Amino acid sequence: DTGVSQDPRHKITKRGQNVTFRCDPISEHNRLYWYRQTLGQGPEFLTYFQNEAQLEKSRLLSDRFSAERPKGSFSTLEIQRTEQGDSAMYLCASSLAGYPYEQYFGPGTRLTVT
Amino acid sequence: DQQVKQNSPSLSVQEGRISILNCDYTNSMFDYFLWYKKYPAEGPTFLISISSIKDKNEDGRFTVFLNKSAKHLSLHIVPSQPGDSAVYFCAGGGGSEKLVFGKGTKLTVNP
Repeated sequence: DTGVSQDPRHKITKRGQNVTFRCDPISEHNRLYWYRQTLGQGPEFLTYFQNEAQLEKSRLLSDRFSAERPKGSFSTLEIQRTEQGDSAMYLCASSLAGYPYEQYFGPGTRLTVT
Repeated sequence: DQQVKQNSPSLSVQEGRISILNCDYTNSMFDYFLWYKKYPAEGPTFLISISSIKDKNEDGRFTVFLNKSAKHLSLHIVPSQPGDSAVYFCAGGGGSEKLVFGKGTKLTVNP
């Protein structure tokens, strides 16, 4: 039973460049979540999918951010025109719909914008 | 507006003793709570959860207590082991599917 995987684990990019991250959830999980974590903070919700439908987006998800889950399996998170404030750990989690609501996290992608 | 608060940034205990990590929340819509453990450079690992209809849930060395009237929950680890040293996050959920996390408490268990 493989857990949630994320790729890449680390990304260094220059301000203004676009970056894309991938998340592969636990295979039987129909819900997939993206969170962002900065130093000294807990993870902050960005968006979530049930199957291929994006059901909720945080106001943290500016128009430079877009997430997709085209076939209800893996998901991508793209950040366009990166800014230094985008530097963070981007975490993906997955779960089954309904109780007990436990979300299982991947190892994260560490983004550094220079 | 911080809906989940972990007021102790750090906690240090001796191996074999009890660790008690505390969490307060303000959102009455939360109907379940979860605790996660996080090592550096890794994603959070799920530990234990509790529904708002319960006041206690136990799993091995880990017990979570919920006091709804006080909007307070705590995680007890007995006995504490050096491998428990990590950052512990409390999270609340309900209504929406998102989890709202506290800022975490760094636990150090000394041999």
